[in-house]
Amino acid sequence: GNSVTQMEGPVTLSEEAFLTINCTYTATGYPSLFWYVQYPGEGLQLLLKATKADDKGSNKGFEATYRKETTSFHLEKGSVQVSDSAVYFCALSFVASGGSNYKLTFGKGTLLTVNP
Amino acid sequence: EAQVTQNPRYLITVTGKKLTVTCSQNMNHEYMSWYRQDPGLGLRQIYYSMNVEVTDKGDVPEGYKVSRKEKRNFPLILESPSPNQTSLYFCASSPGPNRPSYNEQFFGPGTRLTVL
Repeated sequence: GNSVTQMEGPVTLSEEAFLTINCTYTATGYPSLFWYVQYPGEGLQLLLKATKADDKGSNKGFEATYRKETTSFHLEKGSVQVSDSAVYFCALSFVASGGSNYKLTFGKGTLLTVNP
Repeated sequence: EAQVTQNPRYLITVTGKKLTVTCSQNMNHEYMSWYRQDPGLGLRQIYYSMNVEVTDKGDVPEGYKVSRKEKRNFPLILESPSPNQTSLYFCASSPGPNRPSYNEQFFGPGTRLTVL
């Protein structure tokens, strides 16, 4: 079946440090890939997405590129802020528009803490 | 404001006492889904609905029921809760088939349930 593996946390960085959170997936075919962020006490918010190979999703300074050859979708940010402290989830969805279940298959999440 | 709302946000109950967690969205989305989030397991889908009166099981449906009588509402029902259903529950919605961003899911704020 489909699965997502992301680096285990927690990850602790100083403000303005470079962030990478690794994510790889296993799937037959080409899923859509997502990064969701969960701030303390809140629900998940879509951070960025990519729907086909070599697509780059970007938002709020975060980027991730859909790499078919390595089945990866690593999240990066050049300079993190204290406000980026949250749990980050990599996920895939593997259903075409006319399909029946847009289930997201999630990784286990990575807790990021950014210190001033 | 476009949003998914859930009630209650926190609930402590006892084994066997029926409960309902409500979910409502104001975006005219066709697709709705329930997930549970558990430490070390990430998020797993419980049930989903493609439209009014159309529901189906996700990966962990045992002990849960749902209904979709109106497009905007998708309540989660625990007829006889047990301690292993203690979890954080999220409702999500997506636009649905043949619509822009058809599978981007918007999440509610979560309901933390404790079953004693």
